[in-house]
Amino acid sequence: GQNIDQPTEMTATEGAIVQINCTYQTSGFNGLFWYQQHAGEAPTFLSYNVLDGLEEKGRFSSFLSRSKGYSYLLLKELQMKDSASYLCAVHNYGQNFVFGPGTRLSVLP
Amino acid sequence: DTAVSQTPKYLVTQMGNDKSIKCEQNLGHDTMYWYKQDSKKFLKIMFSYNNKELIINETVPNRFSPKSPDKAHLNLHINSLELGDSAVYFCASSQDSRNTEAFFGQGTRLTVV
Repeated sequence: GQNIDQPTEMTATEGAIVQINCTYQTSGFNGLFWYQQHAGEAPTFLSYNVLDGLEEKGRFSSFLSRSKGYSYLLLKELQMKDSASYLCAVHNYGQNFVFGPGTRLSVLP
Repeated sequence: DTAVSQTPKYLVTQMGNDKSIKCEQNLGHDTMYWYKQDSKKFLKIMFSYNNKELIINETVPNRFSPKSPDKAHLNLHINSLELGDSAVYFCASSQDSRNTEAFFGQGTRLTVV
């Protein structure tokens, strides 16, 4: 079976740094994705990790440890527009994407 | 140009009716998906098609029937709608069925009354 866990909600202040964790248990791991979803909108792709380590894309970075079944999304210099849900998704061989429950991030002024 | 477009955006219908949601992608992708996002915002895969062939069919009632006339289209037909079918349905596509990012349509909010 597959299990993906994320915190339900997080709150942070504008300009700060926030780390959203994701733990997963799966077989046939083939990559981990992070998506951002604003209320009432479609999920949009943020990052992808298939090897251990850190991937950096501007203000957003994502880390993966396959041995620990663990990933995090790091958001720097938070802006109000970063208030959204962040979805961790695991890709498995032959089973495509399985999404976690999502973390709703609120950025306060 | 919209990459993945689905229609309608909103759909309100009575229990027992049959309805369809259409999806088209102009990205030249081989793989298309239908996801259901319930009131708790959990995004669950329903179906996956690769080059018009069904490759994933999760535990979904057989009232739901996907149809892919070509690899750019994946429509979802729902028979005998029930209250529990109320959700947002997202169509998505990816280059192939391996580890490539998925692009999502804007979603169809289905409300069954």
